[in-house]
Amino acid sequence: DTEVTQTPKHLVMGMTNKKSLKCEQHMGHRAMYWYKQKAKKPPELMFVYSYEKLSINESVPSRFSPECPNSSLLNLHLHALQPEDSALYLCASSTVMGAQYFGPGTRLLVL
Amino acid sequence: AQSVAQPEDQVNVAEGNPLTVKCTYSVSGNPYLFWYVQYPNRGLQFLLKYITGDNLVKGSYGFEAEFNKSQTSFHLKKPSALVSDSALYFCAVRDPSTNAGKSTFGDGTTLTVKP
Repeated sequence: DTEVTQTPKHLVMGMTNKKSLKCEQHMGHRAMYWYKQKAKKPPELMFVYSYEKLSINESVPSRFSPECPNSSLLNLHLHALQPEDSALYLCASSTVMGAQYFGPGTRLLVL
Repeated sequence: AQSVAQPEDQVNVAEGNPLTVKCTYSVSGNPYLFWYVQYPNRGLQFLLKYITGDNLVKGSYGFEAEFNKSQTSFHLKKPSALVSDSALYFCAVRDPSTNAGKSTFGDGTTLTVKP
C-alpha cells in the first residue's frame, strides 16, 4: 500500500473558525511532512516529523499547529487563519532519506 | 545550502517525439535527486530517484533521468511522449550531509504534449 490519505478534500472556513486536517499512511514511513502549495507553484515545506517528533518548523505562524499522534497519523490544526492561507495543503511521508509519497491534498479556502 | 533550477517554465512536444525536462542542482555534498509529477487537482506523484550507483535511472511510466555530476544536472527524459504525460513536473534535491528532513523543489516545468 503506497497510499497517503488526507481528509477532508475541501474545506471552507471563516477567519475565526478552528478546524483540523488529517493525514494517514500505512507504509511504515517514519518521516511525515506538511506542505502548502499555491497554484502552479512548488510545494512549500511547513513541518517535518521524524519518528513522531517535530524536527523541522519552517517558521510557520502559530495559527498552524501540527500534531503527530502516532507513526501513521499526522494532523494540522488550524485557528484564526487569514485569507492568504487559502491553498492546497499536502501531506507526505517517506523513509528517512527516501522519496516522498504525497496525499491528494486538502484544498482550503479561508473567507 | 541546497538549490534546484528548472530553467524552462514550459516544454511543448508532439506526441511520439522524445521529451526532455531540464534540472540543475547545487548542494555541498553528494545529492539525492528526485522527480515528481503533478496532474491537475492532484498531489505530487514520485517518478524516480537517484541516490547512488548507475547514472541512468529508470522510473515509472517509461521515464528516465541521467545524473551528471560534472554538469550538476538531472534531466528527465522519455523516448516517446504521450498526450497523457502533460502535467507539471518538479525536480527536487536533498543533501543527506546536512538537513536530513528537507527537500528543495524547483519551480516546476509544465509539459504539454500535443497530438
